[in-house]
Amino acid sequence: RKEVEQDPGPFNVPEGATVAFNCTYSNSASQSFFWYRQDCRKEPKLLMSVYSSGNEDGRFTAQLNRASQYISLLIRDSKLSDSATYLCVVTLGTYKYIFGTGTRLKVLA
Amino acid sequence: EAQVTQNPRYLITVTGKKLTVTCSQNMNHEYMSWYRQDPGLGLRQIYYSMNVEVTDKGDVPEGYKVSRKEKRNFPLILESPSPNQTSLYFCASSRGGSGNTIYFGEGSWLTVV
Repeated sequence: RKEVEQDPGPFNVPEGATVAFNCTYSNSASQSFFWYRQDCRKEPKLLMSVYSSGNEDGRFTAQLNRASQYISLLIRDSKLSDSATYLCVVTLGTYKYIFGTGTRLKVLA
Repeated sequence: EAQVTQNPRYLITVTGKKLTVTCSQNMNHEYMSWYRQDPGLGLRQIYYSMNVEVTDKGDVPEGYKVSRKEKRNFPLILESPSPNQTSLYFCASSRGGSGNTIYFGEGSWLTVV
């Protein structure tokens, strides 16, 4: 079983739609959680950290469920510019960052 | 501007010809790391460094070497490149500690023929 698993997609959604991605992790000792965004052939960039209480940044909402070992990302009112691959990142110990293979989102006009 | 800079960005080389990909960060970060990204496999860690002169293997270290003689630099060395090392490589840095954001360089596309 992979340490971090994501549905690869692609998720094809119309502009204005709400879309949600999940990411599951296998190690209950995982400590910190992030969502990164990666545009085609570019470097990943931090989208948001994920906190136990859940957090929101504009149209984006991230949630953590430690009991079921998954994190989620909700995007409301999708824009064309949201088209990208979304990487789930989990940390284990002080220096180990584990990346999911990413979920590809295409927002259609 | 906070940056992680890696060079070269694009390289085609031949099997067995030693090459070095440089990485430099200007954020005074303790932690630096190298990843490779391959289709369907995601980002896999090659080596990481917790501070000057402190390095450790990641998940796929075979065929690579690193050094950390200065805090800002963390070069990746391929002593004898092989075609299975054809990949997109990213250098990354962070302040250290798992709760901190990782910043990535723009990536280096390496093709070994």
